[in-house]
Amino acid sequence: AQKVTQAQTEISVVEKEDVTLDCVYETRDTTYYLFWYKQPPSGELVFLIRRNSFDEQNEISGRYSWNFQKSTSSFNFTITASQVVDSAVYFCALSELFNAGKSTFGDGTTLTVKP
Amino acid sequence: GAVVSQHPSRVICKSGTSVKIECRSLDFQATTMFWYRQFPKQSLMLMATSNEGSKATYEQGVEKDKFLINHASLTLSTLTVTSAHPEDSSFYICSARAFASGPQTSTDTQYFGPGTRLTVL
Repeated sequence: AQKVTQAQTEISVVEKEDVTLDCVYETRDTTYYLFWYKQPPSGELVFLIRRNSFDEQNEISGRYSWNFQKSTSSFNFTITASQVVDSAVYFCALSELFNAGKSTFGDGTTLTVKP
Repeated sequence: GAVVSQHPSRVICKSGTSVKIECRSLDFQATTMFWYRQFPKQSLMLMATSNEGSKATYEQGVEKDKFLINHASLTLSTLTVTSAHPEDSSFYICSARAFASGPQTSTDTQYFGPGTRLTVL
């Protein structure tokens, strides 16, 4: 069985602070995908990143960066210089490799960025 | 990029009625679509996998007679909530899988629809 744990239920920061959202996963599969999604109040999921288990390189995209550590089964997400528009619920998810649609989601972390 | 639409975006119905939600892949063919349910302030839970031309596969605890899924074409899957009750009120999200395999590479990507908010009175 797969499991995704996002231990932080809610995080509140002040604009321009850096913030890291934690994600720990469990799976018996040796190959898998990991995802991060953003869900603003409108409800529509916004895809942020997909990582496959072969690739442990960290990734940076603008103010966003991801740290994938297979040894600790973690896939953490950092927002640098946070902005009010970053306020949303963020979900980490896990799926089998080559079955990307059947995803197990974490409970989400609600991020509030105050001006 | 690929787009998945859902219709309606919002529906309010009386208890006991049936509600149909459509999920369409607009610019690609999706042999597999997925239906998720999200209760307020909770995570997304996979309900079922919808396969074109065959029966859907339901996750444990999901009543297949309650949530009817039909995937009649490569671009359309429908979820019908039969005899809806207030506890069925939720945000229903579909996703479509775009999978392509070539001689050297393959791609496997999931695209989410915008969701349908169902309120049963």
